[in-house]
Amino acid sequence: AQSVTQPDIHITVSEGASLELRCNYSYGATPYLFWYVQSPGQGLQLLLKYFSGDTLVQGIKGFEAEFKRSQSSFNLRKPSVHWSDAAEYFCAVGAGSGYSTLTFGKGTMLLVSP
Amino acid sequence: GAGVSQSPSNKVTEKGKDVELRCDPISGHTALYWYRQSLGQGLEFLIYFQGNSAPDKSGLPSDRFSAERTGGSVSTLTIQRTQQEDSAVYLCASSLDPNSEAFFGQGTRLTVV
Repeated sequence: AQSVTQPDIHITVSEGASLELRCNYSYGATPYLFWYVQSPGQGLQLLLKYFSGDTLVQGIKGFEAEFKRSQSSFNLRKPSVHWSDAAEYFCAVGAGSGYSTLTFGKGTMLLVSP
Repeated sequence: GAGVSQSPSNKVTEKGKDVELRCDPISGHTALYWYRQSLGQGLEFLIYFQGNSAPDKSGLPSDRFSAERTGGSVSTLTIQRTQQEDSAVYLCASSLDPNSEAFFGQGTRLTVV
C-alpha cells in the first residue's frame, strides 16, 4: 500500500523568505503526486500535480515541486513567501487512475511571520 | 452550481443514530470521491464513483458506512449507528474524469455526542 510522509508538522517562515515543504512517498510504481493547500475554513485547493514528463512542475500561486524518483520525494517550494500563504499543506499520492484513491500525508502547517 | 456543494455543513448527532451526508458534484463531472478528515487520522479516502462503474469502496472503515450515487450525480454517504470515533469532517470532491483536477467541497463537520 502507498504512504506519504510529511516530516514537518509546523514550519514558520519569515515573509519574503523562501520555502520548502518536504514530502516523501512510498509506492511501488510510478506515482501520481499532488500538493493541496487548505486555508482555515476553506476546502482543499490543488496547487500542482505530477503525472509524468518533466519532473519540475509549476503550480498556482508561484509554487513549484520537483519529483525525485531516487529519493522518493516531491518537495514543494516557493522562492518568496507571502503572509497569505499561511495555511496547511498536504502532499498526496495516487495509486489508481489520476485523482482516484489518493493517500494524503498528515499535513504541514505553515506559519508566516512578519 | 459553481462548485461542489455539501450539506449539511454541520451535523451533531447522538451516538447510535444514523446520519446521511449529501454531496452535489459539479455538473457534468463523472467522478466523485468521499474523504474523511479527522485530527487523529488526517485525510482518508473512503469511496470513489466513476460513471456507471461499480464504486471503489476500499476505504470505507466498516460496514456501518455506505454510499450511493443516484443518476450519476448526487451522492449520499450514510453512517449507521454512529460512534464517537466517526466525528470528523467529511469531504466530497468531483472531477470531470479521473485524470482531471478534483475539486473539493467545504465539507460536513460531523460531531457524535
